Amino acid sequence: KNEVEQSPQNLTAQEGEFITINCSYSVGISALHWLQQHPGGGIVSLFMLSSGKKKHGRLIATINIQEKHSSLHITASHPRDSAVYICAVDPGNQFYFGTGTSLTVIP
Amino acid sequence: GAVVSQHPSRVICKSGTSVKIECRSLDFQATTMFWYRQFPKQSLMLMATSNEGSKATYEQGVEKDKFLINHASLTLSTLTVTSAHPEDSSFYICSASSGDQPQHFGDGTRLSIL
Repeated sequence: KNEVEQSPQNLTAQEGEFITINCSYSVGISALHWLQQHPGGGIVSLFMLSSGKKKHGRLIATINIQEKHSSLHITASHPRDSAVYICAVDPGNQFYFGTGTSLTVIP
Repeated sequence: GAVVSQHPSRVICKSGTSVKIECRSLDFQATTMFWYRQFPKQSLMLMATSNEGSKATYEQGVEKDKFLINHASLTLSTLTVTSAHPEDSSFYICSASSGDQPQHFGDGTRLSIL
């Protein structure tokens, strides 16, 4: 049983498209994190959410605590957005990670 | 599926003690391992990247003499917090990957320094 489910697993988009990655979780959490990993690199934290919505540049993250669901949106996608995006939830004592979404943005 | 084992899961010790955390890849060869730290109510922060057989690459602001990383084999990396102090209390997580494969995370180690 996975505490965190992410979809889609793989995603290919044309440059400029609006992209959505979804994350559902089954545990109570104190925070949800969206993480980004470029090939061969370490994880970069994009957002930490406990409620509502956050925006950073072309990235938007939302969370619905009642439905235990979060989405990461990328507007006007660009090839440099190509990476693996990971949803992680923090119940307060450890992390549970999603399996990641591999995004490829084609010029 | 691939599994990364991190040990110990929790450590409580006195100030001045050195603490070693192990990260093992159980069913694959991890050419690269990453060490992260999370302070309370903050996100994960990358501390260092280690490639098997070579010196670790530390992120800016992370003291390499304080946080010793050894990646002597393709299945084991260790992080030693030397002369730990209360401000080192944190949640430490390792991850491991093989080439361009996705990272697999350990369960983390909660370090409490009294």
